[in-house]
Amino acid sequence: DAGVIQSPRHEVTEMGQEVTLRCKPISGHNSLFWYRQTMMRGLELLIYFNNNVPIDDSGMPEDRFSAKMPNASFSTLKIQPSEPRDSAVYFCASRGALMKYTEAFFGQGTRLTVV
Amino acid sequence: GQSLEQPSEVTAVEGAIVQINCTYQTSGFYGLSWYQQHDGGAPTFLSYNALDGLEETGRFSSFLSRSDSYGYLLLQELQMKDSASYFCAVRGDQAGTALIFGKGTTLSVSS
Repeated sequence: DAGVIQSPRHEVTEMGQEVTLRCKPISGHNSLFWYRQTMMRGLELLIYFNNNVPIDDSGMPEDRFSAKMPNASFSTLKIQPSEPRDSAVYFCASRGALMKYTEAFFGQGTRLTVV
Repeated sequence: GQSLEQPSEVTAVEGAIVQINCTYQTSGFYGLSWYQQHDGGAPTFLSYNALDGLEETGRFSSFLSRSDSYGYLLLQELQMKDSASYFCAVRGDQAGTALIFGKGTTLSVSS
């Protein structure tokens, strides 16, 4: 398996623009997580899907952020409109039902810069 | 809710042993894991402890004391390539909830 695949790897956009980040989890995994990483706040959980259903979105900063998982092999995280403070590395991770409770595989991340 | 505390930085020299501590607070407990992240890379899973005691994986070992809500990662025979950030992580308060990470400990190994 190719692992968790995220695209794009880097995104530079202007404030106010819409940004869409994409994630393909490992085939067969039933849990998907979106995290945001910054120096100040570390790895913050944004949203967690189980079997394509959003279970916990309490970490989504505000209404400008939305996430979808239309099927088991694809998820998107959208920011509209984007702001400079959204600049961060966004990671997607997935986990299979038979894996250890605290084990997950991470994608390589999307480095977002909002100018 | 849940929270994790770990030191922000640790320094050591090649060949040495270093211990990175983690204390956690959760209302439920489904295990403690450690992840390694090199600069510019993705977090990668290192270890998992669900029961008290020491788990060894090569040069790395992880310890858990559930009564103390405490764990540590022990790195032996340090190498330059071990310079990275190390995160402890716990499952959320209920089974089926997400992984929550500590702020990370940056380990710098010098020659």
